[in-house]
Amino acid sequence: AQSVAQPEDQVNVAEGNPLTVKCTYSVSGNPYLFWYVQYPNRGLQFLLKYITGDNLVKGSYGFEAEFNKSQTSFHLKKPSALVSDSALYFCAVRDERQNFVFGPGTRLSVLP
Amino acid sequence: GAGVSQSPSNKVTEKGKDVELRCDPISGHTALYWYRQRLGQGLEFLIYFQGNSAPDKSGLPSDRFSAERTGESVSTLTIQRTQQEDSAVYLCASSFRWGQLNTEAFFGQGTRLTVV
Repeated sequence: AQSVAQPEDQVNVAEGNPLTVKCTYSVSGNPYLFWYVQYPNRGLQFLLKYITGDNLVKGSYGFEAEFNKSQTSFHLKKPSALVSDSALYFCAVRDERQNFVFGPGTRLSVLP
Repeated sequence: GAGVSQSPSNKVTEKGKDVELRCDPISGHTALYWYRQRLGQGLEFLIYFQGNSAPDKSGLPSDRFSAERTGESVSTLTIQRTQQEDSAVYLCASSFRWGQLNTEAFFGQGTRLTVV
């Protein structure tokens, strides 16, 4: 069965510093990976996805993610964090039944 | 509409009452998902509809929960005899079938259910 792990409940980073939110996955077959962000009292917003091709995927709001097949990871990154990036981030994989399996989420706090 | 629409946005109900939550997916999306999110928690999968196939109900927590979808349109999630532990935000999402473009899921704003 497919699964997604986000090993950090909370990530704190200073504004202007680079940020990384970690995600590892377990799938049978090709991985189809996604990142979503959730701001307070809102639904989830799609950030980016990896389907095939380049291992570095660029998405919305300056975010990017690096797919690493050997480490089964799909870490979310941003070169320079903003206070407005503070939110809850979810990694997800789409499984063979075409369902989405979400990780538990990582709360990102960007400190001014 | 342009996005996934959920109604009502907020619902307060008394313990023991039945509630119905509605989701209007994006037109043309064959897949529809329901998730539950308790305060500050992650997403708990409830049920998944894909076109005319039998739905995946494996996430429904009890027989008090049920959902229907007519074709590839509106879905209704029903919770019977609500309990306080049902209090949560219920999120609906839709997507194209795999193999089509834009295969990410698009989420509605959710229905916040409070059982008192």
